[in-house]
Amino acid sequence: DAKTTQPPSMDCAEGRAANLPCNHSTISGNEYVYWYRQIHSQGPQYIIHGLKNNETNEMASLIITEDRKSSTLILPHATLRDTAVYYCIVRVGSGAGGTSYGKLTFGQGTILTVHP
Amino acid sequence: GAVVSQHPSWVICKSGTSVKIECRSLDFQATTMFWYRQFPKQSLMLMATSNEGSKATYEQGVEKDKFLINHASLTLSTLTVTSAHPEDSSFYICSAREPGVNTEAFFGQGTRLTVV
Repeated sequence: DAKTTQPPSMDCAEGRAANLPCNHSTISGNEYVYWYRQIHSQGPQYIIHGLKNNETNEMASLIITEDRKSSTLILPHATLRDTAVYYCIVRVGSGAGGTSYGKLTFGQGTILTVHP
Repeated sequence: GAVVSQHPSWVICKSGTSVKIECRSLDFQATTMFWYRQFPKQSLMLMATSNEGSKATYEQGVEKDKFLINHASLTLSTLTVTSAHPEDSSFYICSAREPGVNTEAFFGQGTRLTVV
């Protein structure tokens, strides 16, 4: 799976949009971009994933550049409860199959701190 | 989203004893589950892939005789830390992927193991 690069930390004011960048310049054509977050002392929480089109759900939006070498996770109106470590993970899609499908390789992520 | 439950949430054990951690998929069947370990201020590290009805696949450097994994049913995988030592104290997290194409993985809430 391709490696990702994220800034170690970011700050955001409550109520403002939080834009978390991720570089994945070696991404392959069959690899998806996944975002998870981990609030202190809890298991990771799935946020969103995409292949090449922008995606939006009730939690966030995912913007993937046309060349797919980078992406941005957008939390439109950050709250204090969004303070967490955010992980950007690139992983092969279902074409790879096999029993290891679903395995995620975590980097160091971005510590997002939302302040009042 | 799908629910993955771990039990116990925390456990304290004496050095030399064994501890069993359970991971259950509550509303879906998971042929594959994954076990991660996370030390303080570090990211999640995959320990092993648990396959229903067959042997687990361990990551390099993880002792299979120390970390026993059993995946006896489609909704339950267990991790047993045998002859635990203080250096095994960590946050253990399991995940499972829903069946289907390009589905996301869901994580349990984690188990905090402290060996004294």
